[in-house]
Amino acid sequence: DVVLTQTPPTLSATIGQSVSISCRSSQSLLHSNGNTYLHWLLQRPGQSPQLLIYSVSRLESGVPNRFSGSGSGTDFTLKISGVEAEDLGVYYCVQGTHAPFTFGSGTKLEIK
Amino acid sequence: QVQLQQSGAELVKPGSSVKMSCKASGYTFTSYYIYWIKQRPGQGLEWIGRIGPGSGDTNYNEKFKGKATFTVDKSSSTAYMQLSSLTPEDTAVYYCASVMGFAYWGQGTLVTVSS
Repeated sequence: DVVLTQTPPTLSATIGQSVSISCRSSQSLLHSNGNTYLHWLLQRPGQSPQLLIYSVSRLESGVPNRFSGSGSGTDFTLKISGVEAEDLGVYYCVQGTHAPFTFGSGTKLEIK
Repeated sequence: QVQLQQSGAELVKPGSSVKMSCKASGYTFTSYYIYWIKQRPGQGLEWIGRIGPGSGDTNYNEKFKGKATFTVDKSSSTAYMQLSSLTPEDTAVYYCASVMGFAYWGQGTLVTVSS
């Protein structure tokens, strides 16, 4: 199975600070069809996860543009440019290229 | 708008089975896989597998083969997951998700396995 290693496990940020989360895969997530199925989710406390970024860098509808994704192959990054209070929660990367699909272990974002 | 409405919490005994539902609305049910995801208390997310509502084809995470069984009822746009031979390790919130895999999520069904 593909292992997704997320760092850091926890992140403490002040409002307005920019932060980044890394997601590294044990194998390339480039699908044979040319797409890369690496997505980012946010799970706020007590809520279901929600999709933020899909296919590495595509912003899901309704998601603020302070969120951005980048990367290729095995290395991916989620950036939040100017953290807001509502961004607290656990961020997960997830890959949909190789079955079984797998999730990173999560990065908990706390607001100072 | 797209909604995935899951069935309510279940308290079940070890060794028994449970069947939960995920009712879809706001999109063409047969056009997208329904994914099932497990989240144990305070833990991360685990992909159980998926079912294609149009074709009925299924893909299971090897870890959950023999544990989970997916079905759908196209007439009511509802997907089901049955979990069998339950143990305390099956205590978790189970989510369904759909549309490009993870675009929409249900609210989760809490299954508690306890005698």
